[in-house]
Amino acid sequence: SYELTQPLSVSVALGQTARITCGGNNIGSKNVHWYQQKPGQAPVLVIYRDSNRPSGIPERFSGSNSGNTATLTISRAQAGDEADYYCQVWDSSTVLFGGGTKLTVL
Amino acid sequence: VQLVETGGGLIQPGGSLRLSCAASGFTVSSDYMSWVRQAPGKGLEWVSIIYSDGSTSYADSMKGRFTISRDISRNTLYLQMSSLRAEDTAVYYCARGDDGRGIDYWGQGTLVTVSS
Repeated sequence: SYELTQPLSVSVALGQTARITCGGNNIGSKNVHWYQQKPGQAPVLVIYRDSNRPSGIPERFSGSNSGNTATLTISRAQAGDEADYYCQVWDSSTVLFGGGTKLTVL
Repeated sequence: VQLVETGGGLIQPGGSLRLSCAASGFTVSSDYMSWVRQAPGKGLEWVSIIYSDGSTSYADSMKGRFTISRDISRNTLYLQMSSLRAEDTAVYYCARGDDGRGIDYWGQGTLVTVSS
């Protein structure tokens, strides 16, 4: 079965750029979606179909997807970006989530 | 668009429970609707999906125990859960979305606790 691999944690200095990866076999051939989840809250879609931002999501959030790795990039990181981030794909009529990455803003 | 889940609570192992998700602002039968759960301190886990054509799909660990359905007249999504186990303890989210736009709307979640 298909699997998505994310680092458990990523740290970034305030104002710097954070990159969170999502690995999967030939993931570049799939649409990858990214979600932000803060404690006690429901997930929020921040990137859909690899690199598209829903309305209301800051331009600081961007995404890319190629080969075996998809990447969520958060530029000019702010304290409010500290959260868990999940990648997600559809595979054979099922929905798969990565294990999640905890982003810490230092 | 709004999704409001109800029906969670404390249930004994082996018991059954039905979750509801009342939708507003769109029609559930015209969209892809999923249930996603999150065990305490853990990541997101997809449970089930019902497509606009009424077909369904389940995660392997839920097959045969969980049933997803919808009521067009009530514009409500359901998840019937049976043979519940301690490891089914989680917050259950109702969500809308597809592969083209991602899961763009989520409910606030309802907590299911399976314990004796």
